[in-house]
Amino acid sequence: GAVVSQHPSRVICKSGTSVKIECRSLDFQATTMFWYRQFPKQSLMLMATSNEGSKATYEQGVEKDKFLINHASLTLSTLTVTSAHPEDSSFYICSANNRRQEYSYNEQFFGPGTRLTVL
Amino acid sequence: GQQLNQSPQSMFIQEGEDVSMNCTSSSIFNTWLWYKQEPGEGPVLLIALYKAGELTSNGRLTAQFGITRKDSFLNISASIPSDVGIYFCAGSNYKLTFGKGTLLTVNP
Repeated sequence: GAVVSQHPSRVICKSGTSVKIECRSLDFQATTMFWYRQFPKQSLMLMATSNEGSKATYEQGVEKDKFLINHASLTLSTLTVTSAHPEDSSFYICSANNRRQEYSYNEQFFGPGTRLTVL
Repeated sequence: GQQLNQSPQSMFIQEGEDVSMNCTSSSIFNTWLWYKQEPGEGPVLLIALYKAGELTSNGRLTAQFGITRKDSFLNISASIPSDVGIYFCAGSNYKLTFGKGTLLTVNP
């Protein structure tokens, strides 16, 4: 259990276009999903926390109008990178809490990531 | 944002050797987690620790939650080539704070 998928796995787009990334929890319901960005040879940096049915909470320095997050159901959250530029090129990874089990409140299970390249 | 102090940054070892890495923080965490990430993939949870002083094993992996709640270590015994990857520690009080990672290379 606790499988998280992401789509697409890779995307290449032109500068100025918008890109949508989907994150799905496949075998559990996730009231909370998290979006991270990872640059080459660096650690994961939290961008935002996405709660089902409410607005996302963004980390300091992350532009909410540029990175639009929607968490419309208990199994799906989307991240839209609007007006993408080359500096937005990165590895975007989502994660989800699996709250089925006791003591799992702080565990996060990660998707396989999406490699975004903006030309 | 805050990051944990994870060491060493990289390790190059021979197959069969034991490996040890650790993380420290200036903040207290309720949960410590260890993840492994391979190139082009998302992190995979290896071990989760919930109580100060807890020692938990998962196969050849052993991790401990420091008694002060500000540190944790991960040991890998009898390393094999497929252990290659980047190992991240993460402290959690709901959101995760990650260490910078330990790159492990295992020479067959």
